[in-house]
Amino acid sequence: DAKTTQPTSMDCAEGRAANLPCNHSTISGNEYVYWYRQIHSQGPQYIIHGLKNNETNEMASLIITEDRKSSTLILPHATLRDTAVYYCIVRVGDNAGNMLTFGGGTRLMVKP
Amino acid sequence: SAVISQKPSRDICQRGTSLTIQCQVDSQVTMMFWYRQQPGQSLTLIATANQGSEATYESGFVIDKFPISRPNLTFSTLTVSNMSPEDSSIYLCSVLGQGMQTQYFGPGTRLLVL
Repeated sequence: DAKTTQPTSMDCAEGRAANLPCNHSTISGNEYVYWYRQIHSQGPQYIIHGLKNNETNEMASLIITEDRKSSTLILPHATLRDTAVYYCIVRVGDNAGNMLTFGGGTRLMVKP
Repeated sequence: SAVISQKPSRDICQRGTSLTIQCQVDSQVTMMFWYRQQPGQSLTLIATANQGSEATYESGFVIDKFPISRPNLTFSTLTVSNMSPEDSSIYLCSVLGQGMQTQYFGPGTRLLVL
Protein backbone atom coordinates (compact mmCIF):
# COMPACT_ATOMS: atom_id res chain seq x y z
CA ASP A 1 0.00 0.00 0.00
CA ALA A 2 1.11 3.56 -0.73
CA LYS A 3 2.52 5.66 2.08
CA THR A 4 0.87 8.86 3.21
CA THR A 5 2.22 12.10 4.64
CA GLN A 6 0.22 14.20 7.07
CA PRO A 7 1.07 17.18 9.27
CA THR A 8 1.79 16.08 12.82
CA SER A 9 -0.67 18.48 14.38
CA MET A 10 -3.19 21.21 13.58
CA ASP A 11 -5.39 23.60 15.50
CA CYS A 12 -8.87 24.74 14.55
CA ALA A 13 -11.30 27.17 16.14
CA GLU A 14 -14.62 25.75 17.24
CA GLY A 15 -17.32 26.33 14.62
CA ARG A 16 -14.84 26.83 11.80
CA ALA A 17 -14.04 24.36 9.06
CA ALA A 18 -11.13 22.01 9.72
CA ASN A 19 -9.17 21.13 6.59
CA LEU A 20 -6.81 18.21 7.05
CA PRO A 21 -4.39 17.56 4.19
CA CYS A 22 -2.83 14.28 3.14
CA ASN A 23 -0.20 13.55 0.51
CA HIS A 24 -0.15 10.16 -1.20
CA SER A 25 1.98 10.81 -4.27
CA THR A 26 2.69 7.11 -4.95
CA ILE A 27 -0.94 6.00 -4.89
CA SER A 28 -1.88 3.33 -7.40
CA GLY A 29 -4.93 3.34 -9.64
CA ASN A 30 -6.73 0.72 -7.59
CA GLU A 31 -6.03 2.23 -4.18
CA TYR A 32 -8.71 4.04 -2.24
CA VAL A 33 -8.18 6.89 0.23
CA TYR A 34 -9.63 6.22 3.69
CA TRP A 35 -9.94 8.52 6.66
CA TYR A 36 -10.30 7.37 10.25
CA ARG A 37 -10.09 9.23 13.51
CA GLN A 38 -9.21 8.13 17.00
CA ILE A 39 -10.60 10.05 19.91
CA HIS A 40 -8.57 9.62 23.08
CA SER A 41 -8.94 6.19 24.69
CA GLN A 42 -11.24 4.87 21.95
CA GLY A 43 -10.83 2.59 18.94
CA PRO A 44 -10.42 4.19 15.51
CA GLN A 45 -13.65 5.40 13.92
CA TYR A 46 -14.28 5.25 10.17
CA ILE A 47 -15.08 8.65 8.63
CA ILE A 48 -15.13 8.47 4.86
CA HIS A 49 -13.36 7.02 1.83
CA GLY A 50 -13.09 7.60 -1.91
CA LEU A 51 -11.35 6.56 -5.10
CA LYS A 52 -11.23 9.63 -7.32
CA ASN A 53 -14.47 11.54 -6.92
CA ASN A 54 -15.16 13.91 -4.08
CA GLU A 55 -17.29 12.35 -1.37
CA THR A 56 -19.54 13.74 1.35
CA ASN A 57 -21.37 12.13 4.24
CA GLU A 58 -22.88 13.27 7.50
CA MET A 59 -19.48 13.52 9.14
CA ALA A 60 -17.19 15.08 6.57
CA SER A 61 -16.25 15.79 2.97
CA LEU A 62 -13.32 14.27 1.12
CA ILE A 63 -11.69 16.22 -1.69
CA ILE A 64 -9.28 14.24 -3.88
CA THR A 65 -7.12 16.08 -6.41
CA GLU A 66 -7.47 15.18 -10.06
CA ASP A 67 -4.06 13.47 -10.13
CA ARG A 68 -5.02 11.66 -6.89
CA LYS A 69 -1.69 12.50 -5.30
CA SER A 70 -3.27 14.35 -2.41
CA SER A 71 -6.55 14.77 -0.60
CA THR A 72 -8.20 16.93 2.04
CA LEU A 73 -10.63 15.91 4.73
CA ILE A 74 -13.03 18.72 5.61
CA LEU A 75 -14.98 18.91 8.85
CA PRO A 76 -17.35 21.77 7.97
CA HIS A 77 -18.12 23.00 11.49
CA ALA A 78 -15.62 21.62 13.95
CA THR A 79 -16.70 21.06 17.54
CA LEU A 80 -14.67 20.30 20.64
CA ARG A 81 -15.67 16.64 20.26
CA ASP A 82 -13.81 16.53 16.95
CA THR A 83 -10.51 16.79 18.82
CA ALA A 84 -8.75 13.56 17.83
CA VAL A 85 -5.97 12.01 15.78
CA TYR A 86 -6.97 11.77 12.13
CA TYR A 87 -5.46 9.04 9.97
CA CYS A 88 -5.27 9.13 6.17
CA ILE A 89 -4.76 5.64 4.74
CA VAL A 90 -4.54 4.33 1.20
CA ARG A 91 -5.49 0.74 0.57
CA VAL A 92 -6.05 -1.55 -2.39
CA GLY A 93 -9.65 -2.38 -3.09
CA ASP A 94 -12.91 -1.42 -1.52
CA ASN A 95 -13.56 -4.65 0.38
CA ALA A 96 -10.80 -6.91 -0.82
CA GLY A 97 -9.56 -8.12 2.53
CA ASN A 98 -6.48 -5.96 2.53
CA MET A 99 -5.90 -4.72 6.04
CA LEU A 100 -5.40 -1.07 6.97
CA THR A 101 -1.87 0.18 7.62
CA PHE A 102 -1.74 3.23 9.88
CA GLY A 103 0.76 6.07 9.67
CA GLY A 104 1.35 8.78 12.25
CA GLY A 105 -1.82 10.77 11.61
CA THR A 106 -2.64 14.42 12.37
CA ARG A 107 -3.51 15.43 15.89
CA LEU A 108 -6.35 17.97 15.52
CA MET A 109 -7.03 20.23 18.46
CA VAL A 110 -10.31 22.13 18.29
CA LYS A 111 -10.17 25.17 20.53
CA PRO A 112 -13.04 27.25 21.97
CA SER B 1 -21.02 -1.60 10.25
CA ALA B 2 -20.57 -4.01 13.16
CA VAL B 3 -20.80 -3.84 16.93
CA ILE B 4 -17.54 -5.09 18.40
CA SER B 5 -16.87 -5.73 22.06
CA GLN B 6 -13.62 -6.55 23.80
CA LYS B 7 -12.95 -8.07 27.20
CA PRO B 8 -11.36 -6.98 29.41
CA SER B 9 -11.51 -3.26 28.70
CA ARG B 10 -8.38 -2.78 30.78
CA ASP B 11 -6.09 -4.76 33.05
CA ILE B 12 -2.98 -4.40 35.15
CA CYS B 13 -0.76 -7.48 35.10
CA GLN B 14 2.49 -8.66 36.61
CA ARG B 15 5.46 -9.42 34.42
CA GLY B 16 5.82 -13.04 33.43
CA THR B 17 2.09 -13.69 33.38
CA SER B 18 -0.23 -14.03 30.39
CA LEU B 19 -3.49 -12.31 29.49
CA THR B 20 -6.14 -13.42 27.02
CA ILE B 21 -8.20 -10.73 25.32
CA GLN B 22 -11.54 -11.61 23.78
CA CYS B 23 -13.19 -10.00 20.76
CA GLN B 24 -16.86 -10.58 19.99
CA VAL B 25 -18.73 -9.29 16.93
CA ASP B 26 -22.49 -9.06 16.58
CA SER B 27 -22.47 -10.54 13.07
CA GLN B 28 -20.43 -13.01 11.07
CA VAL B 29 -17.39 -11.40 9.52
CA THR B 30 -14.94 -12.54 6.90
CA MET B 31 -11.77 -11.29 8.51
CA MET B 32 -10.61 -10.38 12.00
CA PHE B 33 -7.41 -8.53 12.82
CA TRP B 34 -5.46 -7.70 15.95
CA TYR B 35 -3.56 -4.42 16.30
CA ARG B 36 -1.29 -3.02 18.99
CA GLN B 37 -0.96 0.65 19.89
CA GLN B 38 1.97 1.44 22.11
CA PRO B 39 1.84 4.62 24.24
CA GLY B 40 1.88 7.72 22.05
CA GLN B 41 2.22 5.67 18.88
CA SER B 42 0.08 4.72 15.91
CA LEU B 43 -1.53 1.33 15.37
CA THR B 44 0.56 -1.66 14.28
CA LEU B 45 -0.97 -4.81 12.85
CA ILE B 46 -0.07 -7.91 14.85
CA ALA B 47 -1.83 -10.60 12.85
CA THR B 48 -4.85 -11.69 10.87
CA ALA B 49 -6.97 -14.25 12.72
CA ASN B 50 -8.00 -17.06 10.38
CA GLN B 51 -10.90 -19.35 11.13
CA GLY B 52 -9.86 -22.97 11.20
CA SER B 53 -6.19 -22.32 10.61
CA GLU B 54 -3.18 -20.62 12.16
CA ALA B 55 -3.14 -16.85 12.27
CA THR B 56 -1.03 -14.90 9.80
CA TYR B 57 1.54 -12.83 11.69
CA GLU B 58 3.22 -9.63 10.60
CA SER B 59 6.95 -9.14 10.72
CA GLY B 60 8.15 -8.80 14.28
CA PHE B 61 5.29 -10.75 15.85
CA VAL B 62 5.40 -14.48 16.61
CA ILE B 63 2.87 -17.07 17.61
CA ASP B 64 4.63 -18.04 20.82
CA LYS B 65 4.31 -14.50 22.13
CA PHE B 66 0.87 -13.68 20.69
CA PRO B 67 -1.15 -16.87 20.22
CA ILE B 68 -4.46 -16.21 18.48
CA SER B 69 -7.59 -18.29 18.19
CA ARG B 70 -10.61 -17.89 15.96
CA PRO B 71 -13.08 -20.72 16.55
CA ASN B 72 -15.92 -19.18 14.53
CA LEU B 73 -16.92 -16.19 12.40
CA THR B 74 -17.85 -13.93 15.32
CA PHE B 75 -15.18 -14.52 17.96
CA SER B 76 -11.41 -14.34 18.38
CA THR B 77 -8.90 -14.23 21.22
CA LEU B 78 -5.42 -12.77 21.47
CA THR B 79 -3.12 -13.91 24.27
CA VAL B 80 -0.16 -11.80 25.35
CA SER B 81 2.27 -14.32 26.81
CA ASN B 82 5.07 -13.97 29.33
CA MET B 83 4.40 -10.26 29.60
CA SER B 84 6.99 -7.57 30.19
CA PRO B 85 6.50 -3.83 30.74
CA GLU B 86 7.20 -3.32 27.03
CA ASP B 87 3.90 -5.08 26.30
CA SER B 88 1.99 -2.23 27.93
CA SER B 89 -0.24 -1.06 25.08
CA ILE B 90 -3.76 -0.82 23.80
CA TYR B 91 -4.76 -3.98 21.92
CA LEU B 92 -7.46 -3.52 19.30
CA CYS B 93 -9.63 -5.99 17.46
CA SER B 94 -10.78 -5.07 13.95
CA VAL B 95 -13.17 -6.77 11.55
CA LEU B 96 -14.06 -6.77 7.88
CA GLY B 97 -17.12 -8.54 6.52
CA GLN B 98 -19.43 -9.02 3.59
CA GLY B 99 -21.26 -5.81 2.83
CA MET B 100 -18.91 -3.75 4.96
CA GLN B 101 -17.23 -0.93 3.14
CA THR B 102 -14.18 -0.97 5.35
CA GLN B 103 -12.68 -2.26 8.60
CA TYR B 104 -14.31 -1.48 11.92
CA PHE B 105 -12.59 -1.42 15.29
CA GLY B 106 -13.42 -2.49 18.79
CA PRO B 107 -12.98 -0.19 21.79
CA GLY B 108 -9.61 -1.66 22.68
CA THR B 109 -8.07 -3.31 25.73
CA ARG B 110 -5.69 -1.20 27.78
CA LEU B 111 -2.93 -3.32 29.25
CA LEU B 112 -0.42 -2.16 31.83
CA VAL B 113 2.36 -4.56 32.80
CA LEU B 114 4.22 -3.87 36.01
